[in-house]
Amino acid sequence: GESVGLHLPTLSVQEGDNSIINCAYSNSASDYFIWYKQESGKGPQFIIDIRSNMDKRQGQRVTVLLNKTVKHLSLQIAATQPGDSAVYFCAERAAGNTPLVFGKGTRLSVIA
Amino acid sequence: EPEVTQTPSHQVTQMGQEVILRCVPISNHLYFYWYRQILGQKVEFLVSFYNNEISEKSEIFDDQFSVERPDGSNFTLKIRSTKLEDSAMYFCASRAGQGDGYTFGSGTRLTVV
Repeated sequence: GESVGLHLPTLSVQEGDNSIINCAYSNSASDYFIWYKQESGKGPQFIIDIRSNMDKRQGQRVTVLLNKTVKHLSLQIAATQPGDSAVYFCAERAAGNTPLVFGKGTRLSVIA
Repeated sequence: EPEVTQTPSHQVTQMGQEVILRCVPISNHLYFYWYRQILGQKVEFLVSFYNNEISEKSEIFDDQFSVERPDGSNFTLKIRSTKLEDSAMYFCASRAGQGDGYTFGSGTRLTVV
């Protein structure tokens, strides 16, 4: 069936370096994508989203890239900080009131 | 900033007991969701609710589960007879409209013993 998945389960980066977290999706009908950050014991926290009519969107220190040709989504975090340590999930949704489908998650560990 | 509030934060229950997990969505939101996350796994969709009825549910959401919006403020998830495998974090989420983002609560950790 349709699914959303992640290439890497864990990622360790040095403080100050840039981080790139990747996600593959398989539902070609998906038109909305979100990256969430989840800290231990907390709910998913919205980071950034992108719609399928865009291929790049920037926020504060974060950039999401969407490549619809290969069904790939990435989250770039600039100047990674210890507070960025968390599990990051991508999520996708097809048009309308269809539910969000989450990927498996990547744990980002920032080494001070 | 408006929040989705969930209570309790942690609930321990005996197998076979009924539990009710409570959520207060953001006040002007119209779409409501329950998700769950088994420890170390991804967040899984359970049910969506709009206009006082279920709009979609997953295969996880069987006859043991029900949702209700009893008073226009709370949004509850009931599990009639809990099983050990129901142990998980349960997240409530809401959004204002179909084009809007989802806001998640901090979750209820349900432990079935």
